[in-house]
Amino acid sequence: GDSVTQMEGPVTLSEEAFLTINCTYTATGYPSLFWYVQYPGEGLQLLLKATKADDKGSNKGFEATYRKETTSFHLEKGSVQVSDSAVYFCALSDPYQGGSARQLTFGSGTQLTVLP
Amino acid sequence: NAGVTQTPKFQVLKTGQSMTLQCAQDMNHNSMYWYRQDPGMGLRLIYYSASEGTTDKGEVPNGYNVSRLNKREFSLRLESAAPSQTSVYFCASSATRDTEAFFGQGTRLTVV
Repeated sequence: GDSVTQMEGPVTLSEEAFLTINCTYTATGYPSLFWYVQYPGEGLQLLLKATKADDKGSNKGFEATYRKETTSFHLEKGSVQVSDSAVYFCALSDPYQGGSARQLTFGSGTQLTVLP
Repeated sequence: NAGVTQTPKFQVLKTGQSMTLQCAQDMNHNSMYWYRQDPGMGLRLIYYSASEGTTDKGEVPNGYNVSRLNKREFSLRLESAAPSQTSVYFCASSATRDTEAFFGQGTRLTVV
């Protein structure tokens, strides 16, 4: 079945450092790929997405590129802020699963802490 | 601006007790979902409802039942709670399968 493997955390960075969180996936078809963010005490929020190979999703300074050849969707940000401290989840949605409902398969999450 | 609302936010149950987690969305979404979040395992789908009147099992449905009461509400019931059901439960909704899923704030459930 489908699966998502994420870089294990926790990750601790200083403010303005460069961030990479690795994500690779296994899927039978051509999935859509997502990054969700969970701030303390809150639910998950969609950060960015990509629906086909070579698409780049971007939002709030974060970027990720859908790489079909390496089955990867790594999250990057050039200069992190304290306010970026959160848990980040990589996820996929397989178009061949779930019928008319979108089923998301999640990675295990990566805790990011940014120090001032 | 409520979005997806879950109640309660916290709950402690004794083994064998039953309870229902409530979820309501005010975005007129067709699809609703229940996930559980466990340390080191990400979120796993328990049940989903593609539209009002339909429900289907997800990856980990054992020990749970659901009811899609109407288009707004989707409840999750634990008939006889077990310690293995200690988790954080998230409800989510989406307009269609191709649109963004919105999540509630979660219910932290502890079964002792």
